[in-house]
Amino acid sequence: DAGVIQSPRHEVTEMGQEVTLRCKPISGHDYLFWYRQTMMRGLELLIYFNNNVPIDDSGMPEDRFSAKMPNASFSTLKIQPSEPRDSAVYFCASSAYLAGGNNEQFFGPGTRLTVL
Amino acid sequence: AQSVTQLGSHVSVSEGALVLLRCNYSSSVPPYLFWYVQYPNQGLQLLLKYTSAATLVKGINGFEAEFKKSETSFHLTKPSAHMSDAAEYFCAVSRASGTYKYIFGTGTRLKVLA
Repeated sequence: DAGVIQSPRHEVTEMGQEVTLRCKPISGHDYLFWYRQTMMRGLELLIYFNNNVPIDDSGMPEDRFSAKMPNASFSTLKIQPSEPRDSAVYFCASSAYLAGGNNEQFFGPGTRLTVL
Repeated sequence: AQSVTQLGSHVSVSEGALVLLRCNYSSSVPPYLFWYVQYPNQGLQLLLKYTSAATLVKGINGFEAEFKKSETSFHLTKPSAHMSDAAEYFCAVSRASGTYKYIFGTGTRLKVLA
């Protein structure tokens, strides 16, 4: 299994530009999570999906952020317009349902976003 | 509500010495607890997890953790540190049922001295 795949691995953009981060979860996993990691705030959950449906987006910082999961094998996180404070490493993780919530999350390698 | 506190954002140990990384949790319901490791420029990898089957949990790379309900702790230990253990370690908690969200601690960066 290839694991969780994220692209691009690095993204440098200018303030005001649209940024799209992509994630392919592990095949058969029905949960998908988007996290943001910064030195100041640590690891934050932005949103998670179950069977392609957004379940909890309370961590999405503001309306400039949006996430979609059009099918079981693909998700995007979009920032429009981007701002320098969005600079961070963005992780995607996936997990499979296990009774009782005993689920391990498998993380992708992350996308390092720099907004100039 | 659930929360996780990791004491010590940076820990240094000598190679061969005991590793002890502290994690305390707060949960009003039975928790599941996890330790993850993050090597530089990589994603997080599961070290071990507590799911109520046994209070002493053994993980990969010689790490283990003990769930102590009375102390609300889930400290991570390894008897003998190796240079390759240098990384950042995250403790996480989730509910034993009803949700699949993790609450992560702020992380502890482990440095191993030669």
